[in-house]
Amino acid sequence: EDQVTQSPEALRLQEGESSSLNCSYTVSGLRGLFWYRQDPGKGPEFLFTLYSAGEEKEKERLKATLTKKESFLHITAPKPEDSATYLCAVQVSGGYQKVTFGIGTKLQVIP
Amino acid sequence: DAGVTQSPTHLIKTRGQQVTLRCSPKSGHDTVSWYQQALGQGPQFIFQYYEEEERQRGNFPDRFSGHQFPNYSSELNVNALLLGDSALYLCASSLGTGATEAFFGQGTRLTVV
Repeated sequence: EDQVTQSPEALRLQEGESSSLNCSYTVSGLRGLFWYRQDPGKGPEFLFTLYSAGEEKEKERLKATLTKKESFLHITAPKPEDSATYLCAVQVSGGYQKVTFGIGTKLQVIP
Repeated sequence: DAGVTQSPTHLIKTRGQQVTLRCSPKSGHDTVSWYQQALGQGPQFIFQYYEEEERQRGNFPDRFSGHQFPNYSSELNVNALLLGDSALYLCASSLGTGATEAFFGQGTRLTVV
């Protein structure tokens, strides 16, 4: 069965303190890996889609990378407004539409 | 450009009742997926609709059913509500069924008492 594991479950950073969130996955074949940001009481907000190992994408202070077994979301010099839960999800190849989410990493950035 | 809109935003139902949740996809999107998110958990895939047909279902019982209309909007129906059905129900729309970016609505918070 497809599995997505995110670590750590919670992370507390000082403003400006860079760090990385991890998403490890076990799937039969990867069609795409997604990163989302979710604020409390709201729906997830799309950040990135990665398709193949070695791919990288950047958006402001965020950079997502992908290997054959895991993905990292690097946060450079975070600000308090980056505080949110970051969700990783995968869609497998073979014509399947199901998207499997991890539990998320709750990030708190302290001023 | 309106994003994904869901209604209602909050709902309280009694155990055993039936509920219908609604979703209008982002303009230009033709695919709608529904998710259930319990507190402190990631979203769980319920099913996806494309071309007015259910394309795939997650591990949810038949009490959960859906529909997609010709204008691509969708409904999620849950029968015989259980206390454990209390959750945030999310609708996501995308263009096609592939690994493309999906846009989520704000969700419907369902409480079963």
